[in-house]
Amino acid sequence: DIQMTQSPSFLSASEGDRITITCRASQTISNDLNWYQQKPGTAPKLLIFAASSLQSGVPSRFSGSGSGTDYTLTISSLQPEDFGTYYCQQSYSTVITFGQGTRLEIK
Amino acid sequence: EVQLLESGGGFVQPGESLRLSCAARGFTFSIYAVSWVRQAPGKGLEWVSGISDSGDSTYYADSVKGRFTISRDNSKYTLYLQMNSLTAEDTAIYYCAKGRDCAGTCSPHFDYWGQGALVSVSS
Repeated sequence: DIQMTQSPSFLSASEGDRITITCRASQTISNDLNWYQQKPGTAPKLLIFAASSLQSGVPSRFSGSGSGTDYTLTISSLQPEDFGTYYCQQSYSTVITFGQGTRLEIK
Repeated sequence: EVQLLESGGGFVQPGESLRLSCAARGFTFSIYAVSWVRQAPGKGLEWVSGISDSGDSTYYADSVKGRFTISRDNSKYTLYLQMNSLTAEDTAIYYCAKGRDCAGTCSPHFDYWGQGALVSVSS
């Protein structure tokens, strides 16, 4: 199975900050990489698909980039409602795998 | 409005079985792949199983292969997960998730999720 490793596991940042979360795959996944946000007690929400495509309705401060095995999620100007846990997910393989998550705290 | 509504969760003992259902509304169920994703208490997301739009192809995580069976009834707009030989490690919230792949032109992703069904396995 393809292993997905996110870093950092925890991030604390202030409103207005620019933050980046990294996701590394154990093999090339050809941009078959998606990002989700999950808030406590709720289902995950799709933010970015195909490495860099913004899901409809998601604010433009969210962006994704990367290629091969290394991908990033960037929030350009952090807002209070951006707290939660962020997960990357590869769909290159028919056996789908998620990263372990990055918990984002707003100071 | 797209809706996915899971049901069938509950409390069972180790070794017992349970069947989850996911009722879909607001989209043409028969043309989309769907999956089950679970989340153990305080843990991250784990993909469990997926099924193609027609139901002809099924996929499983190693952790459930041989014990869980995914199926769908497109006429009833419903996805199922039959779970046998349950263990404490299967305790989790189980989400059904609608797949989307832009008609094969973009990487598959989950654009809608249900609210989840709790499965608790304990003696």
